[in-house]
Amino acid sequence: DAMVIQNPRYQVTQFGKPVTLSCSQTLNHNVMYWYQQKSSQAPKLLFHYYDKDFNNEADTPDNFQSRRPNTSFCFLDIRSPGLGDAAMYLCATSPVRVANEKLFFGSGTQLSVL
Amino acid sequence: TQLLEQSPQFLSIQEGENLTVYCNSSSVFSSLQWYRQEPGEGPVLLVTVVTGGEVKKLKRLTFQFGDARKDSSLHITAAQPGDTGLYLCAGGLQKLTFGTGTRLTIIP
Repeated sequence: DAMVIQNPRYQVTQFGKPVTLSCSQTLNHNVMYWYQQKSSQAPKLLFHYYDKDFNNEADTPDNFQSRRPNTSFCFLDIRSPGLGDAAMYLCATSPVRVANEKLFFGSGTQLSVL
Repeated sequence: TQLLEQSPQFLSIQEGENLTVYCNSSSVFSSLQWYRQEPGEGPVLLVTVVTGGEVKKLKRLTFQFGDARKDSSLHITAAQPGDTGLYLCAGGLQKLTFGTGTRLTIIP
């Protein structure tokens, strides 16, 4: 029944070692989002795809990249993780990119940086 | 940037008590959403309020949208341990911005 699936649930990487987080969806939604959530804080939008159109937030570090090879899959690449990048990374989808639209979230990937 | 401030940041109460959490902004929103997030999971949408002054009920949860559409509140009656979680308000046009969150703990 899972509609937005994130793998892995837990990821441990080393300082400076590239890491990729994945997200897949069975909803056929046009929009896919990546949020970063640090402990006890609200999710912070990193970027989103509207179909193939990539939209980066102004304050998202260059260290964070994303790929969306097709409608179903979206990847978050962290090129050189720092200790400050340890967080929960949440993928979400929505059918369209308008107000009132419900976001469907995955269960997240908890990233640890050693 | 439209900012959403939530209060209180943390709230711990006994089972059976009532509580209200608030979501405030200096900006007008066309709508606001409320999500609940349990530990280790993604947020789940509870409700969307659209009209100024609107009140929506979801079992023991009552959501209200301010008349000026700048604020919203969530009232829980007779809180239960299952209500424990992080409550997030969210709003925005093409992209959703989350509020600062209220972490609620209900003590059995």
